[in-house]
Formats: sequence, C-alpha cells, structure tokens
Amino acid sequence: EADIYQTPRYLVIGTGKKITLECSQTMGHDKMYWYQQDPGMELHLIHYSYGVNSTEKGDLSSESTVSRIRTEHFPLTLESARPSHTSQYLCASSEYSRGSSYNEQFFGPGTRLTVL
Amino acid sequence: SQQGEEDPQALSIQEGENATMNCSYKTSINNLQWYRQNSGRGLVHLILIRSNEREKHSGRLRVTLDTSKKSSSLLITASRAADTASYFCATVGSGNTGKLIFGQGTTLQVKP
Repeated sequence: EADIYQTPRYLVIGTGKKITLECSQTMGHDKMYWYQQDPGMELHLIHYSYGVNSTEKGDLSSESTVSRIRTEHFPLTLESARPSHTSQYLCASSEYSRGSSYNEQFFGPGTRLTVL
Repeated sequence: SQQGEEDPQALSIQEGENATMNCSYKTSINNLQWYRQNSGRGLVHLILIRSNEREKHSGRLRVTLDTSKKSSSLLITASRAADTASYFCATVGSGNTGKLIFGQGTTLQVKP
C-alpha cells in the first residue's frame, strides 16, 4: 500500500457549502496531483504541484483551488459546492527527478463527494 | 477522450483464461503505464514501458508497445477472480512534465 491518505473517504453536503478535501503523503514526494473521476470514466487531471508553493491548473477546468504549503499536504478546496461537483476526487504523488522518464504515481483511496 | 480509445470497454472471462486489453493514444510519448483500480478505490501502478521498449513482463502481466501504431496491449495470463477490476493505460508525454493522460479504461470481470 502506498503511504498516501485522503480524508474524508465519503462526503455528502448541501449546495453552497465550503469544503476541503485533505491529501497527505509520507513518501517525501515533490510532485502531487488531483484527479476527478466520474463513475466508469477516465481520470481527468485538475491540479498538480511540483513542490512547496507550486500549483498548476490541470487539463480539466475546475472551480476548486489547491495549496501546497508543506511537502506532505496538498488540500483541495471548493468555496461553494454545487451538484455538478459530485464526483470522485483522487490524489496522487510521485518523485520528481529532472530528466527522469520514470513517473509512477501513487494514489490515495479517493474521496467520493456528493453535493445535494 | 484526452487519450484515445481503450478496448474492449468491458471484458468478462472465466478464471484461468487470458485477458487482453488494448489502448491507443494520440501524441508522442515518453512512456506508457498501466494501472489497476478496484471498485471505488484508488489506482495501483502495474507496469511501465518506455517508448524505446517493445515488450515487458511482470509476473502474469505482459505489456507490448507499438509506437508506430500508437497502441499498447496488456495481457493477463491465467486470470483469477481477484483480477476483477478496471484497468487504465496512461501516457507521459514526450515533454516529460510528469503529467499522466489516462484512457477510458477496461472493466474486467473474472468469473470463478
């Protein structure tokens, strides 16, 4: 099992609430990622980070924001949740080695978010 | 899809049979990876094949890569009920930003 954790595992909330999905890893990885995955579908990258104070938008536009104040934490925040945000959110991390072609990512168990 | 197509989308076989899944991609790549996802869980890395490799083995897994056709296949031999899961291919672009682009996945069911 990879040492990457996500909380909560399941979250059901009402429209308009602010939520933060937590992700932490104990592997000392510099790179971290957030993916969004609808049931039976592929993963879409929504945010990534190369290290502390680095955050980038992913390939899929998202209303969420992220922060990277510490290497091990990469929380994702939705200021005002809507039903369209209902999905599974997966966090991942990998080592960063300039010039390396090896990019295995380690995934957390995911947070399944339902916005009513 | 960002990536291309994976086929079949769903596959159902008997325990002991072999399972083959295919993946196509659109852009030049640095490497291609296969991941497994059990229902409602995170993904687990299975195997990575670099763009200059044509075939790779890991236990009961065999991966091939044909860069001229921009395609890869994953073969699971002597399947077990515990292999039931979704399998995704993912590519790392030649720019090596580290970002993975995932395919749509193949859902494999292995019946005991």
